Amino acid sequence: EIVLTQSPATLSLSPGERATLSCRASQSVSSYLAWYQQKPGQAPRLLIYDASNRATGIPARFSGSGSGTDFTLTISSLEPEDFAVYYCQQRTNWPSFGGGTKVEIK
Amino acid sequence: EVQLLESGGGLVQPGGSLRLSCAASGFTFSTYDMSWVRQAPGKGLEWVSTISGSGDRTYHADSVKGRFTISRDNSKNTLYLQMNSLRAEDTAVYYCAKRALYYFDHWGQGTLVTVSS
Repeated sequence: EIVLTQSPATLSLSPGERATLSCRASQSVSSYLAWYQQKPGQAPRLLIYDASNRATGIPARFSGSGSGTDFTLTISSLEPEDFAVYYCQQRTNWPSFGGGTKVEIK
Repeated sequence: EVQLLESGGGLVQPGGSLRLSCAASGFTFSTYDMSWVRQAPGKGLEWVSTISGSGDRTYHADSVKGRFTISRDNSKNTLYLQMNSLRAEDTAVYYCAKRALYYFDHWGQGTLVTVSS
């Protein structure tokens, strides 16, 4: 089983700041990693797939990078609607998700 | 527009059964794998089950294997999850999700299953 560890658990930032979220896999997942955003009371939304490809309709301020075991989601300039919980997910074996990073307003 | 609408959640006693449904629209249902993903209250996401587009292949997480069964009716554009021998730890919001490129590109709004006496 591939375990995904996300850090930090909570990120406190102000609108307009840059957010950098990390996801580390217990073994290589190549580039087979996605990022999701979830707001309270809502379903998750796919942001990034295959480590760096933005899903349909996702703004350019969201970008993903990494391969192997270390991945990063970057939000270049936080908008008010970006404050949410973010999950990474690998698809190499059975799907598994990281524990999430909450991006909160400072 | 892709729409996924879950139903069938509710309160059930430990050891009981429940069947969830997910009505799909806005895409060619039979050509996509479909999955169930759950989220316990205040917790993260956990993949539960996946079924191929034709329904001939199914996969279940170890935590539900032997107790849950995923199925689909392509004539009705509907996905199902039969849940038997339910436990307290199965309490969660259950999401129906469409799979594309092995990721979950569309999700329903979820249905809450509570297992409690």
